[in-house]
Amino acid sequence: GQQVMQIPQYQHVQEGEDFTTYCNSSTTLSNIQWYKQRPGGHPVFLIQLVKSGEVKKQKRLTFQFGEAKKNSSLHITATQTTDVGTYFCAAIKAAGNKLTFGGGTRVLVKP
Amino acid sequence: GAGVSQSPSNKVTEKGKDVELRCDPISGHTALYWYRQSLGQGLEFLIYFQGNSAPDKSGLPSDRFSAERTGGSVSTLTIQRTQQEDSAVYLCASSYSSYNSPLHFGNGTRLTVT
Repeated sequence: GQQVMQIPQYQHVQEGEDFTTYCNSSTTLSNIQWYKQRPGGHPVFLIQLVKSGEVKKQKRLTFQFGEAKKNSSLHITATQTTDVGTYFCAAIKAAGNKLTFGGGTRVLVKP
Repeated sequence: GAGVSQSPSNKVTEKGKDVELRCDPISGHTALYWYRQSLGQGLEFLIYFQGNSAPDKSGLPSDRFSAERTGGSVSTLTIQRTQQEDSAVYLCASSYSSYNSPLHFGNGTRLTVT
């Protein structure tokens, strides 16, 4: 079945630094979504990417969909303690209809 | 407006008992997912309902797990003869359609099997 791989699994970041988390698939994707789950909470939708090469920004967060629509990245600049949580990507493969989640990147911020 | 509602929020049960977990999706949402999340782990897909189509049950870990969705709305996840390894948070999510729609998650049911 379709697998969506996220790397790294864990990310320890110094406050103020930048980091990137990646989401990779072996098959072409129809779209990709990103979610954030704060400790003790439930996943909350952040953004969706649909077009090849698409780039979207939300304040300090930059989301990118690869040209081949097989991978995506989330880049966070000037990390803050409020960025702590687990970031999940979720994707629907081309001609599919079920959303599949990656394993998540757990982000810890060192003040 | 109302979000996805799950009940109970917490459930403690003895090993071997059956439990029912309920999910009320957002009105008008045709897609409904159940996931399981163990502490510090990712989202384990269990089952997916889309409209009147046959559900995708490929994620159910054993025949002790079953789910139904009545009238295209409320869903119930049933676990029979619970085991300690069933302890986890069970999350329900719904979306407007299966394509290009974000998932809205409930707060989950924390199941503890003693």
